[in-house]
Amino acid sequence: AQSVTQLGSHVSVSEGALVLLRCNYSSSVPPYLFWYVQYPNQGLQLLLKYTTGATLVKGINGFEAEFKKSETSFHLTKPSAHMSDAAEYFCAVSWGGAQKLVFGQGTRLTINP
Amino acid sequence: NAGVTQTPKFQVLKTGQSMTLQCAQDMNHNSMYWYRQDPGMGLRLIYYSASEGTTDKGEVPNGYNVSRLNKREFSLRLESAAPSQTSVYFCASSEGAFSAAFGNGTRLTVT
Repeated sequence: AQSVTQLGSHVSVSEGALVLLRCNYSSSVPPYLFWYVQYPNQGLQLLLKYTTGATLVKGINGFEAEFKKSETSFHLTKPSAHMSDAAEYFCAVSWGGAQKLVFGQGTRLTINP
Repeated sequence: NAGVTQTPKFQVLKTGQSMTLQCAQDMNHNSMYWYRQDPGMGLRLIYYSASEGTTDKGEVPNGYNVSRLNKREFSLRLESAAPSQTSVYFCASSEGAFSAAFGNGTRLTVT
């Protein structure tokens, strides 16, 4: 079955440090890949997405992610964390005509001052 | 820009009661979805509708029914609520297999 795994349910970094949130998927079919962010008591907001073309994707708020087909990964990074980045982050995948998103379990990001 | 609108925002039910969660989108999207969010489990798909007039089961459909009333509206019904259905429910819409827009959620407690 197709699945999405986010390594680490909780990641804590210092303000100004590198943010790295990991996402791996299982599929033999090339997927579409997404990262969403959820702030407390809100819905999900799209950070970035990969569909085709360049494998390094830039999103909002300084985040970027790289699709690595050989590693079936789509890790999210930000060079310098800001206090406002504290939120829950979800990796999601869809497969062509399936027309539905499958989500990972989520990673809660905490930023230490 | 309303996007995806869900009602109500909060609801408390007693076991066995029924209710309908409403969702409407104004982006002319063909596909609509209902997810539930539980701690440590991400978002799990309950039902989805790829286009007006069609609905399909997702990962966790038991205890729920849906209606795609028209292109804009997609409702989720709990016929006989159970404590296991305590969750936050999100409606989403998308065009094809691309990124979805989400509502702000309905927080449901079943006692």
